[in-house]
Amino acid sequence: DTEVTQTPKHLVMGMTNKKSLKCEQHMGHRAMYWYKQKAKKPPELMFVYSYEKLSINESVPSRFSPECPNSSLLNLHLHALQPEDSALYLCASRAVGENEQYFGPGTRLTVT
Amino acid sequence: GNSVTQMEGPVTLSEEAFLTINCTYTATGYPSLFWYVQYPGEGLQLLLKATKADDKGSNKGFEATYRKETTSFHLEKGSVQVSDSAVYFCALRQAGGFKTIFGAGTRLFVKA
Repeated sequence: DTEVTQTPKHLVMGMTNKKSLKCEQHMGHRAMYWYKQKAKKPPELMFVYSYEKLSINESVPSRFSPECPNSSLLNLHLHALQPEDSALYLCASRAVGENEQYFGPGTRLTVT
Repeated sequence: GNSVTQMEGPVTLSEEAFLTINCTYTATGYPSLFWYVQYPGEGLQLLLKATKADDKGSNKGFEATYRKETTSFHLEKGSVQVSDSAVYFCALRQAGGFKTIFGAGTRLFVKA
């Protein structure tokens, strides 16, 4: 199983809503990532978890709150987002010490 | 710092044409190099990789050679198909590092 799954596939939320994005992998990878991708742009790194601990936060606003409850699961909690936060949110995982990073299909987020 | 520069797109080709997408990088040491492909509405997929100088990565008819002397990793395919229409990202990661540095992406359109 070389799959990273993400739910939901699409999400529309208002600026006062609270929602969560979910990412799951069962490859035993201990490094997990959140990226944000705007249209016609490359992915921008947001957070990296290594062994369930936050290793990198790329100065992401606090309205985005990551969580890694176990080695297979990664969440991104969203609160009080702005319309400019509308984007494709990609999750990825990698075995520590290996090169290959596996991406999920993404969640298309629209903030109204 | 590390960076990746790709040729600007879009690139439009007829089916069975030869494809080259140029990629050059700036990095210290010996990073690993990657090509990712993103089909419309999907996440990124690893297309091929190379981890040291003169390595050739290949997959699905695509090839790229790690050229240390010219700091390049150009993507080539001898005969493109309509199904190859996608956005292609060149990327690098330093050994032991968590961050992947992406190029801006090159959109490829293949006409029947």
